[in-house]
Amino acid sequence: AQSVSQHNHHVILSEAASLELGCNYSYGGTVNLFWYVQYPGQHLQLLLKYFSGDPLVKGIKGFEAEFIKSKFSFNLRKPSVQWSDTAEYFCAVIFDNYGQNFVFGPGTRLSVLP
Amino acid sequence: KAGVTQTPRYLIKTRGQQVTLSCSPISGHRSVSWYQQTPGQGLQFLFEYFSETQRNKGNFPGRFSGRQFSNSRSEMNVSTLELGDSALYLCASTDSDTDTQYFGPGTRLTVL
Repeated sequence: AQSVSQHNHHVILSEAASLELGCNYSYGGTVNLFWYVQYPGQHLQLLLKYFSGDPLVKGIKGFEAEFIKSKFSFNLRKPSVQWSDTAEYFCAVIFDNYGQNFVFGPGTRLSVLP
Repeated sequence: KAGVTQTPRYLIKTRGQQVTLSCSPISGHRSVSWYQQTPGQGLQFLFEYFSETQRNKGNFPGRFSGRQFSNSRSEMNVSTLELGDSALYLCASTDSDTDTQYFGPGTRLTVL
């Protein structure tokens, strides 16, 4: 079965540090890739998405992600985090043979210390 | 456009009862998906409805069911509630042109 994994359960950074959150999936076919963020007490919001084209995609709030097909990865990055980035981050994948439904990774909790 | 709305936002039930949750998708979106979010299992797909038909179903017991109405609003029903059903239930509607899901705020169900 297709699955999505996220490398880190909890990441703690100081403000201005650089961020990279890992996401890997298990499937060799066509995928659509997403990163969602869930701020404390708020609902899931789309950060960015990749369907095709340039594998480096830019999203909202200074986030970007790179799709590396050979590594089945879609890592999320931000050069300099802020306290307001404290949230839970979910990688999600639509696999081409699984309808239009997402398989979510387990999530990575990011805590940014002021 | 208004976002995805879910009602009620909070619900407390006891074991053995049944519950119905409601979701109104973004105007124009015909696909509605339901997810269960728990600290232990994360986000798990329940089912998806498109044009009043269940198009996909996750790995949940038959106590979990749903339906979609002609105006795309969807309901999810859980019968014979168990303690383990306590979770945040999320609804998402899909923009078919961009394959992007937009999530509602969820319904927090507590089973005592």
